[in-house]
Amino acid sequence: GAGVSQSPSNKVTEKGKDVELRCDPISGHTALYWYRQSLGQGLEFLIYFQGNSAPDKSGLPSDRFSAERTGGSVSTLTIQRTQQEDSAVYLCASRLDKTQYFGPGTRLLVL
Amino acid sequence: AQSVTQLGSHVSVSEGALVLLRCNYSSSVPPYLFWYVQYPNQGLQLLLKYTSAATLVKGINGFEAEFKKSETSFHLTKPSAHMSDAAEYFCAVSDPKGYQKVTFGTGTKLQVIP
Repeated sequence: GAGVSQSPSNKVTEKGKDVELRCDPISGHTALYWYRQSLGQGLEFLIYFQGNSAPDKSGLPSDRFSAERTGGSVSTLTIQRTQQEDSAVYLCASRLDKTQYFGPGTRLLVL
Repeated sequence: AQSVTQLGSHVSVSEGALVLLRCNYSSSVPPYLFWYVQYPNQGLQLLLKYTSAATLVKGINGFEAEFKKSETSFHLTKPSAHMSDAAEYFCAVSDPKGYQKVTFGTGTKLQVIP
């Protein structure tokens, strides 16, 4: 079946612009995670959605970052007023039972 | 609180040699443990997982890992390295309760030398 998909695969933007990153989870997976992977770093947890519960936003690095999940499916991560330090790979994962399944990521470059 | 330490950010082995990637964890409760592999420009793919059943876990591509509670370790091994094993490997730990927030290690890049 289809896996987790993310779009765009690559995004180049100018400092100060807003960007939106999209994640389509595997159908039926109620849990969805966003992570950030910077060069040479591990995965940094950003935000977690589980069903209709309030999301866990504890990993968002600043108020420029926000995410929503519509209809319990597609999720959008928004970064406002992008900074060069936001350049990273943003990974989305959906979870079934005990296992997370990852998308290919969006590579964001802020010039 | 939970954490994962991967010893060695880079590991090089010869083709055909044993692969050993080290992972130690810290968790206040019996954990779930995972190994993921990431090939260049791709997302993470699950290699294997420990979820409190058998302590020796076999995964895809000939990899296996053993959960050792006394050593708080979950090292990844493969008897004979292939060139295709060159990738970055991440160990991860989660709390079985609650919503299973997963904490990842910083990764180990495996180089396979022909």
